[in-house]
Amino acid sequence: EVQLLESGGGLVQPGGSLGLSCAASGFTFGTYAMTWVRQAPGKGLEWVSAISGTGGTTHYADSVKGRFTIYRDNSKNTLFLQMNSLTAEDTAIYYCAIISAKRDFDYWGQGTLVTVSS
Amino acid sequence: DIVMTQSPLSLSVTPGEPASISCRSSQSLLHSNGYIYLNWFLQKPGQSPQLLIYSGSNRASGVPDRFSGSGSGTDFTLKISRVEAEDVGVYYCMQSLQTWGFGQGTKVEIK
Repeated sequence: EVQLLESGGGLVQPGGSLGLSCAASGFTFGTYAMTWVRQAPGKGLEWVSAISGTGGTTHYADSVKGRFTIYRDNSKNTLFLQMNSLTAEDTAIYYCAIISAKRDFDYWGQGTLVTVSS
Repeated sequence: DIVMTQSPLSLSVTPGEPASISCRSSQSLLHSNGYIYLNWFLQKPGQSPQLLIYSGSNRASGVPDRFSGSGSGTDFTLKISRVEAEDVGVYYCMQSLQTWGFGQGTKVEIK
């Protein structure tokens, strides 16, 4: 059974940093691209970042480019998102998801809440 | 960037009646390889999103056949033939042609 378990969310002050993790199991992690999607409270879904199976290719939404870094450790079946220079607009539930070969997101984690507030 | 626009933004449906959601993209999602990079998701209350439809019209595994997707190019439609109580939630279209991007979402509730 495919499982994605996000962790690392919490309360952080504006301008601060936070690192998220997504522990994967039930599939061959290193053969799949992965992605982060976020959802601000009461708002819609926003794609944040994606990374290839090897980690060699990354993509970012303009809203996070230069502040967020996506990376992965295939030996530990874990996806990461390092978030720096956080603002209130980054407050959201952050989901990790598997990118299928067809470029859709066919499995999602339960999400982890990040709150940026003083 | 490709902009995705959904309509309506909310929908109230009587159980057993059909429902339809429109999604329009600012540029064609039909690739030269013949694939349509348009997906539909449902986010039920308090849950993570779940994939309903990929490539415009293909139901994901386990999705009931009352859900159908259609369209090509820039105009797409998600139809529910007979709405059930468990179908309530927010429906999103997503393009996956150029990175990824979601529509605003359409909230479906039961009358």
